[in-house]
Amino acid sequence: DGGITQSPKYLFRKEGQNVTLSCEQNLNHDAMYWYRQDPGQGLRLIYYSQIVNDFQKGDIAEGYSVSREKKESFPLTVTSAQKNPTAFYLCASRPRGGNTIYFGEGSWLTVV
Amino acid sequence: AQKVTQAQTEISVVEKEDVTLDCVYETRDTTYYLFWYKQPPSGELVFLIRRNSFDEQNEISGRYSWNFQKSTSSFNFTITASQVVDSAVYFCALSFPNDYKLSFGAGTTVTVRA
Repeated sequence: DGGITQSPKYLFRKEGQNVTLSCEQNLNHDAMYWYRQDPGQGLRLIYYSQIVNDFQKGDIAEGYSVSREKKESFPLTVTSAQKNPTAFYLCASRPRGGNTIYFGEGSWLTVV
Repeated sequence: AQKVTQAQTEISVVEKEDVTLDCVYETRDTTYYLFWYKQPPSGELVFLIRRNSFDEQNEISGRYSWNFQKSTSSFNFTITASQVVDSAVYFCALSFPNDYKLSFGAGTTVTVRA
């Protein structure tokens, strides 16, 4: 099946630890995005990448890092510098020439 | 600055009633795209509809319809004959050519009671 796969679905980490969220797509989409959602709020853009080996900061990039070494993969690392990391994280992708972004199922991160 | 406002926080209806969700946006650009996404309790964001700024024709797709009015910067969405499965959070979003980053409204929670 074609789609966007995020893993793990649920993740618990201790404060001060870095954690990496996986995002893989087999849709052959060029662009990929990471959004964060806090309870009762809309989504905010963390990072995005329009092409392999290139990525740009979004509105709330502080405390996060990404890489785009392969077209199909766009992992997000939540570092210990992120002050409030507990949230729902959504990965998304967009085809070349397309103007619609499609989302994965999301990952819940809880930092205790 | 670009901004999307969904003034309705929650809407509760009985099954088979129509539901209209309001969305107002702000932009000075002439080319942009407007979207509605649905987020069911499972969390995944599901794309519903997209409208281009240069196409104000309103359409109906099944039980969904939308009313795009550039004069009032509004992009309202209607679910006709609502069903319990329509219960979800609905987001309006705005994007622009080149990077197509989405700017979201705060969302409207729709509850459809049987």
